[in-house]
Order: sequence, then C-alpha cells, then structure tokens
Amino acid sequence: QVQLVESGGGVVQPGRSLRLSCAASGFIFSDYAMHWVRQAPGKGLEWVALISYDGSDKYYADSVKGRFTISRDKSKNTLNLQMNSLRAEDTAVYYCARHRGQQLVGGWFDPWGQGTLVTVSS
Amino acid sequence: DIQMTQSPSSVSASVGDRVTITCRAGQDISSWLAWYQQKPGKAPKVLISAASSLQSGVPSRFSGSGSGTDFTLTISSLQPEDFATYYCQQANSFPWTFGQGTKVEIK
Repeated sequence: QVQLVESGGGVVQPGRSLRLSCAASGFIFSDYAMHWVRQAPGKGLEWVALISYDGSDKYYADSVKGRFTISRDKSKNTLNLQMNSLRAEDTAVYYCARHRGQQLVGGWFDPWGQGTLVTVSS
Repeated sequence: DIQMTQSPSSVSASVGDRVTITCRAGQDISSWLAWYQQKPGKAPKVLISAASSLQSGVPSRFSGSGSGTDFTLTISSLQPEDFATYYCQQANSFPWTFGQGTKVEIK
C-alpha cells in the first residue's frame, strides 16, 4: 500500500538548521510530484513547498522562500526538506504528501504521511 | 495569495443531521478545490477533489458542489465517525491555500 513516513523532526534553536525526510513506498515515486505541508500546534494547514516529479520545478510559500529547500532522491525514494535559519513561527507538524491530479494546477494531496514535529525554541 | 474563508468555524450537530460547510475563495478558482477531513492527532484525508469528485473509499454521504468562488461540502446524514475538522484547499494558483477549518462537534 502507498505509504509516506516522515523523519528528522525535533527541537532546534532559532537560527539553526534541520533536515526532514520522507520515505515513500508502495508507488512509483519518480512518477509523482510531492509536497510538504505544515500545521502549527492547534492551528490550520499551511502549504510549504512542492517539487515536480523529476525535480526540475520547485515552488515555495513566501514564508519559507530563501530559507527552505525541497529536494528528492530518486534512488532512495525519498523526499527532503532542508530548513535553514529556523524561526519560532516554523514550529509545526510537517507532513509530506503525494500530489494527485494530472497537472500541478488543480491538484490535491493524497495520501499524507503521519507527520513529524519540529519545535524551534531556545 | 488567494484567501479561503470557511463558515461556520464550528458547528454542533447530532448523529443523522445534515451538515453543510461553505468555503469562499477570494477570487475565481474555477473548480480547483479539494476538501479534507482531519481527526485529532491524525493527518488529513482527502474527501473530494475538483470541487465535486468523491475520492475512492469515501462514503457517499459526503458531497461537494460549487465553482468560481463559492463551494459547499455536505454531509447528508452525520455519523459518529464524521466528528472532525474539515478544510477546503484551492489549487488554482500558487501558493496553494487552505481555509481556516470547520470543526464538527457532537451536540
């Protein structure tokens, strides 16, 4: 079955870096665009970043542009999110999600991983 | 950015009730809207894509409608497992944005 498993979360000080990973299985990873979506504690959902199926196109939310980098490793079926210059407002559960839909426009997220918690605090 | 506004923010309902949640987009998003259900401590799950397309495995009591700027999610007969928070999401243009959520609570 399709499965996404995030890892790499934890507690980090403001200004430091963290790298999240998402291991994909049960589908042909290289056929799908992938996303990161986050949810601050007790808050709603915020889309963070998208990478195309082949890694050639990347899109970011303004709130993370220039600080976060999305990437993928085809050989390991893994999606990554490098997070630099972390801020308190980046504290959230980070979910990876597979893109569905034939185009980027009009797509949706399915399925989602279980999420990994990132806490930015001194 | 396209702002998505859901109403109500919360609703109290009983098993068997019909529940309708609305989502309004700040500009025309055609039919590029999805609905998600999220239970506490769990990841969201997609219910509907392209405004009205029911996802595989989702019970038929869920339905979606609308286009342009106004959309609705309807639960025709609320079941105990439907108590959750529901989110709409637009995918017409980047950045993709979500509504603030509607919490469906037990009356």
